[in-house]
Amino acid sequence: DADVTQTPRNRITKTGKRIMLECSQTKGHDRMYWYRQDPGLGLQLIYYSFDVKDINKGEISDGYSVSRQAQAKFSLSLESAIPNQTALYFCATSDSGGPWFFGQGTRLTVV
Amino acid sequence: GESVGLHLPTLSVQEGDNSIINCAYSNSASDYFIWYKQESGKGPQFIIDIRSNMDKRQGQRVTVLLNKTVKHLSLQIAATQPGDSAVYFCAEIRNSGNTPLVFGKGTRLSVIA
Repeated sequence: DADVTQTPRNRITKTGKRIMLECSQTKGHDRMYWYRQDPGLGLQLIYYSFDVKDINKGEISDGYSVSRQAQAKFSLSLESAIPNQTALYFCATSDSGGPWFFGQGTRLTVV
Repeated sequence: GESVGLHLPTLSVQEGDNSIINCAYSNSASDYFIWYKQESGKGPQFIIDIRSNMDKRQGQRVTVLLNKTVKHLSLQIAATQPGDSAVYFCAEIRNSGNTPLVFGKGTRLSVIA
């Protein structure tokens, strides 16, 4: 969905490096989410934010941090990347009680 | 434990046939359900949703059925087309959206031409 934009789309980084994945949305939603998807599996929730001053840990938050810079922007950081963080990362948005809308994903490879 | 799961990990159907993808959930507090389609290399795409006060909802070529008695959800795709080939996920939301989406592992639908 073009209303949810993730950058970069692909990234290769070295073990130990800090990396930031960015997400911006034009849907005007208050709620934003970061998910991780490993090959052949479903999506696992990393962090979520219900508004600019709200940050919550998801199922697999260890090794990740987030920043909600504005209603439209939610970034995910890996402070010290490790190979098992190689995955597809998706940002999503929603409003209260509505469907989630996803970005096109960021393919991250940690070597 | 609480989970959203799928009965079949893969489904192959002939082009033009109807497809039925099933999903089970275990939390009776879930009140909103969404089906997503994910094509290779792309993000999940919203297909259709249904709230717990409904049993059936129809969209364009798709129908979602909700059976709260047995905690079962299904997605029916009419006249399946090659472009329907993808992984389909069901997701549940609890407490009217105040807890995040919980995804099942997905069913891969393959359409045979």
